[in-house]
Amino acid sequence: NAGVTQTPKFQVLKTGQSMTLQCAQDMNHNSMYWYRQDPGMGLRLIYYSASEGTTDKGEVPNGYNVSRLNKREFSLRLESAAPSQTSVYFCASSGVSSSYEQYFGPGTRLTVT
Amino acid sequence: KNEVEQSPQNLTAQEGEFITINCSYSVGISALHWLQQHPGGGIVSLFMLSSGKKKHGRLIATINIQEKHSSLHITASHPRDSAVYICAPSKGGAQKLVFGQGTRLTINP
Repeated sequence: NAGVTQTPKFQVLKTGQSMTLQCAQDMNHNSMYWYRQDPGMGLRLIYYSASEGTTDKGEVPNGYNVSRLNKREFSLRLESAAPSQTSVYFCASSGVSSSYEQYFGPGTRLTVT
Repeated sequence: KNEVEQSPQNLTAQEGEFITINCSYSVGISALHWLQQHPGGGIVSLFMLSSGKKKHGRLIATINIQEKHSSLHITASHPRDSAVYICAPSKGGAQKLVFGQGTRLTINP
């Protein structure tokens, strides 16, 4: 099992550009999450999906959209990137098979100039 | 005031010492997670607990729901335990996590 995979690992964008961060899990988990981690701020929830077909806002959703494409995949889109979105983004998943412990992807380091 | 407070923020100890990291929270929770973030950035779940105590190897986690407090203990600490340890209570059925700032642990040989 690959667990939770994220692409890309690194990305540099100019202000105003758009991009989609991809996340996939092969553990048959129902729930998936997108977090961002900023120095001195800790991890914060951007969006989550409790099950296929549903998505909900977390603590810091502004400037982002998500798609739960199927049970495996949960993508995060930045429509018009801003320097304030420079961060490390983590995807995670959880479900009955993990006793609801969350499994994290390796992260995407995004810089917006 | 932060919903989750961890102490200490930084901890340096010698190999073999007993380590305790504390977490206090103000939100109502369904469970509490302890996570480990390696120096390379990867995040691993150590424990999820909703009552009592859990033990994995040299790591022990306890929670007191009434006092809204959890502790993570490491026995016989080793340099490979050097990492950031993050407390994250979860709210609601969707396991939405609220994160502490983390405790940076350094174990010197």
